[in-house]
Amino acid sequence: EPEVTQTPSHQVTQMGQEVILRCVPISNHLYFYWYRQILGQKVEFLVSFYNNEISEKSEIFDDQFSVERPDGSNFTLKIRSTKLEDSAMYFCASSEFDPGTGLYEQYFGPGTRLTVT
Amino acid sequence: QKEVEQDPGPLSVPEGAIVSLNCTYSNSAFQYFMWYRQYSRKGPELLMYTYSSGNKEDGRFTAQVDKSSKYISLFIRDSQPSDSATYLCAPGEGRRALTFGSGTRLQVQP
Repeated sequence: EPEVTQTPSHQVTQMGQEVILRCVPISNHLYFYWYRQILGQKVEFLVSFYNNEISEKSEIFDDQFSVERPDGSNFTLKIRSTKLEDSAMYFCASSEFDPGTGLYEQYFGPGTRLTVT
Repeated sequence: QKEVEQDPGPLSVPEGAIVSLNCTYSNSAFQYFMWYRQYSRKGPELLMYTYSSGNKEDGRFTAQVDKSSKYISLFIRDSQPSDSATYLCAPGEGRRALTFGSGTRLQVQP
């Protein structure tokens, strides 16, 4: 069964460093998302991406964040200068329109645990 | 008022019990209602969804939506220890981002 994959599973970085989190969405999906979940808190939306541009972003997604689809398979989230409060699980999701249901079912990857020290 | 409110639990039940998990939402624009299951330190796993008022059944799981009262429920029959996880309700609209509730942690005791 197709699935969303993410690398690395765990990333430790020092405050102020740049990190890139990588995702490979499900191959025929066209809509991509990044969410994050701080330990013990709810899953929060960061950004969505379609047709090589950002569709929607939340207040969390400030100038420190950027997304890119560098090739036909990868979808990346870059944090330019990490802060302690960026420590969280970062989830990538992808979706495609299902004409049978009329829905965009979002499928999530296993996440990257980012620890900023 | 939060967009999606969910009973936080934790909810502890004996094996075989019927479990009821609930959410309320405030945004009338939500068109469909997803339920995700999340095991500790894992990604949310799509469990089931519904997009109209009424019930939808899938095996031991039944999703129910009442759009008039903006109330979402997930029922689990014959609960198993393997059902122990956090259950997240996540209403959505088109291809826009999902809005997650805080999750209800369920523990099914053998």
